[in-house]
Amino acid sequence: GIQVEQSPPDLILQEGANSTLRCNFSDSVNNLQWFHQNPWGQLINLFYIPSGTKQNGRLSATTVATERYSLLYISSSQTTDSGVYFCAVGIQGAQKLVFGQGTRLTINP
Amino acid sequence: DGGITQSPKYLFRKEGQNVTLSCEQNLNHDAMYWYRQDPGQGLRLIYYSQIVNDFQKGDIAEGYSVSREKKESFPLTVTSAQKNPTAFYLCASSARTSGATYEQYFGPGTRLTVT
Repeated sequence: GIQVEQSPPDLILQEGANSTLRCNFSDSVNNLQWFHQNPWGQLINLFYIPSGTKQNGRLSATTVATERYSLLYISSSQTTDSGVYFCAVGIQGAQKLVFGQGTRLTINP
Repeated sequence: DGGITQSPKYLFRKEGQNVTLSCEQNLNHDAMYWYRQDPGQGLRLIYYSQIVNDFQKGDIAEGYSVSREKKESFPLTVTSAQKNPTAFYLCASSARTSGATYEQYFGPGTRLTVT
């Protein structure tokens, strides 16, 4: 099956810093989503981005489908950005998402 | 207020007992999913349903059962056959499209502890 790898596994930054999270996948996808899991476990949808670039406030994401990777950018980090960020992909004909192991982001004040 | 609700938030059971987790959505989505998350891990698919009265096994279906009698509801039963049932369970839904792409939305989850 498709493999999804996220890097780095852990990231600790000071408030105000910028960060880049990476998601590599092993096969062609027709769905790619980025989620933020808050301390209570809720998965918040950040981006639905099987290809191209999107921006939402301080967050932006780029997926290069032909090279099988996606990047999530967080600018001017705030302590509320802390949590685990997951990348999940879906493949043609499969009604399911395959998740990476996540990147744990800690933003210190 | 549209969304996905899961109840209860926390659930405690004795080993050997079956337990049913509730998932309801009012998004008018056709497809619904159950995932399991273990500490420090990503999510893994247990079961999914694309339409009422139909469902398919995911990657880790052993020891679980589901039903889909209504579009809005997709309950998950964790049976006594599940060897390691203690986990965080998340329900999701998506609109079924004619194409192959879809976006999934998640409920708040149920933390199950079996002792």
